[in-house]
Amino acid sequence: GAGVSQSPSNKVTEKGKDVELRCDPISGHTALYWYRQSLGQGLEFLIYFQGNSAPDKSGLPSDRFSAERTGGSVSTLTIQRTQQEDSAVYLCASSSTGTGGYEQFFGPGTRLTVL
Amino acid sequence: AQSVTQLDSQVPVFEEAPVELRCNYSSSVSVYLFWYVQYPNQGLQLLLKYLSGSTLVKGINGFEAEFNKSQTSFHLRKPSVHISDTAEYFCAVSDRVKVTFGTGTKLQVIP
Repeated sequence: GAGVSQSPSNKVTEKGKDVELRCDPISGHTALYWYRQSLGQGLEFLIYFQGNSAPDKSGLPSDRFSAERTGGSVSTLTIQRTQQEDSAVYLCASSSTGTGGYEQFFGPGTRLTVL
Repeated sequence: AQSVTQLDSQVPVFEEAPVELRCNYSSSVSVYLFWYVQYPNQGLQLLLKYLSGSTLVKGINGFEAEFNKSQTSFHLRKPSVHISDTAEYFCAVSDRVKVTFGTGTKLQVIP
């Protein structure tokens, strides 16, 4: 079956613009995670969805970042008024349960460059 | 709160030599432990995981890891590495809700 997909694969934007990043999880996966991968920073947890609700938003770096999930499926991560420090690869992952004991399947990521 | 420490950011090793990538974690609750691998220009994929039971876990591509509760470690090992093992390896810990990743270890296999 299809894996986790993300779009766009690359996004170049100007400082101050808003961007939307999309994640399509594996069908039937109830849990969805967003991470940010910066050079030398490892994987930074951003937000976690169980169904359409987000029990843990603690990783969102600022109020410029928001995310939603609709229909228990597609998720969108929105960054408003982008800054150069937002440049990174944004990864989405899904798993069949939110209990943490099961494998997370990762998408290929969206590489965001803020000029 | 939980955290993961990968002590080595880069590990160079000659082909066919053994390797150990170190991972230590801290958590106030019992955890699940994972190793993920990211090959150059590819996404992350699961290498192995510890949920319960035997503390020695075997994964794909000949890798294994041992859960040591007293030392709060989950080191990754391979007895003989190949060029194709060149990648970045991430240790992760889960408290059943949130997954925390380490900063990664880049394994460079030298011919």
